[in-house]
Amino acid sequence: EVQLVESGGGLVQPGGSLRLSCAASGFTFSDHYMDWVRQAPGKGLEWVARIRNRANSYTIEYAASVKGRFTISRDNSQNSLFLQMNSLTTEDTAVYYCAKANGYDWRAFDYWGQGTLVTVSS
Amino acid sequence: DIQLTQSPSFLSASVGDRVTITCRASQGISSYLAWYQQKPGIAPKLLIYAASTLQSGVPSRFSGSGSGTEFTLTISSLQPEDFATYYCQHLNTYPPTFGGGTKVEIK
Repeated sequence: EVQLVESGGGLVQPGGSLRLSCAASGFTFSDHYMDWVRQAPGKGLEWVARIRNRANSYTIEYAASVKGRFTISRDNSQNSLFLQMNSLTTEDTAVYYCAKANGYDWRAFDYWGQGTLVTVSS
Repeated sequence: DIQLTQSPSFLSASVGDRVTITCRASQGISSYLAWYQQKPGIAPKLLIYAASTLQSGVPSRFSGSGSGTEFTLTISSLQPEDFATYYCQHLNTYPPTFGGGTKVEIK
C-alpha cells in the first residue's frame, strides 16, 4: 500500500525557514516523480515543485511563486522527499502535500500525503 | 501559465442526480487533464487522468471526457459520499495548474 507521510510543518515568522519531509513507502520511490502541492486555508490547490526520477536525472521544476526561495530534494536511500523553504512570507501559509506522480505519463498525482500545515505569522 | 476555469463553482444536487462539471483551459492542453475529489480536511483523491481514464478503485459512476480546451466530469448517479469539492488539473506545460474547484452540496 502506498503511503506518504509529511512532517515538519509549524509556525514560523516572516523571513524564516522551515524544512518539510515526506516519508514514502509501498512503491519504488526512486522510480517516481515526486511533487509538493499546497493549499492555503479555504483556498484551492497550488502546485509548488517537482523532482523527477533517476531515469530523468532528478531534474527539478518550481512554481514561479517559490523559485529562488524553496528547494526540493530527495534521498532515495531513505525513501524521503524534502522541501526546504526560506524567506517565508504570509503568502506561504498553507497545508503542504507531498504527492506521487502517476507512472502512466507523470501528468497527474495519484497518491497524496495527509498534509502538514505551515503557518507564517509574526 | 495556462488557466483552468471550472463551472459551476457551486452546485446543489440530490442523491441519484446526474451531475456534470466543466473545466475550460485558456489554451489547448491535448488530453492532459485530471480530476480530483476533496473532502474537508482530507487530501485530494485522483478520480480521472488523461481526461477520461478512471483511476483504479474509483467507482464507474465517475467519467471524464474532452480534449483541447473543454473537459467534463460526470457523476452518473450522485451518492451521499460524493458530496465534496472537485478540481481539474492540467500538466500540458509547466507549471501545472488547478481549476478553482466546484463544490457539490446536498439539495
